[in-house]
Amino acid sequence: DTEVTQTPKHLVMGMTNKKSLKCEQHMGHRAMYWYKQKAKKPPELMFVYSYEKLSINESVPSRFSPECPNSSLLNLHLHALQPEDSALYLCASSPRAGDGYTFGSGTRLTVV
Amino acid sequence: QQQVKQSPQSLIVQKGGISIINCAYENTAFDYFPWYQQFPGKGPALLIAIRPDVSEKKEGRFTISFNKSAKQFSLHIMDSQPGDSATYFCAASIVYTGKLIFGQGTTLQVKP
Repeated sequence: DTEVTQTPKHLVMGMTNKKSLKCEQHMGHRAMYWYKQKAKKPPELMFVYSYEKLSINESVPSRFSPECPNSSLLNLHLHALQPEDSALYLCASSPRAGDGYTFGSGTRLTVV
Repeated sequence: QQQVKQSPQSLIVQKGGISIINCAYENTAFDYFPWYQQFPGKGPALLIAIRPDVSEKKEGRFTISFNKSAKQFSLHIMDSQPGDSATYFCAASIVYTGKLIFGQGTTLQVKP
């Protein structure tokens, strides 16, 4: 298995909702990432997990809460989002931090 | 100093031609330089990557040229095909930090 699987592919949520994005990989990678990508822009790093521990938080608002239950799973919990948070949320993994990233296809999030 | 500058912003090439995209960086601590291809609605896919101890790497029609002294690297796509039409991102990271920094992207259109 050489894929990073993200669910759901599309999500529409209201500003008072709570939802979660999920990411799974079975490549034995020990680093996992969340990126946010706006239209026609490069991906922007949000969080880095290395060996299931949060190693980087790029000053992301607390309405985004990451969780790494085990080495194969990464979640992003969403609460009280704003319309400007609408974007493509990408999960990635790599054998070690900073090297050989594999990206998932992303979750297209729309906040209404 | 963390920036990666990419040019051109857009590129139109005839089928069979050579597509060239350039990137420049400032941080000499970067030690991993990948190129990603992204189609609309999909996550970035790793095309080819290079480390600074190598000046050139070729995989099929894709070649990275790396100039350590000039702090520049470029992607050459030989015999460009309409199926290569996509957005291309260069990136750089310091292995073990987990921070992959993307260039602004180049939209490539290959005309039949």
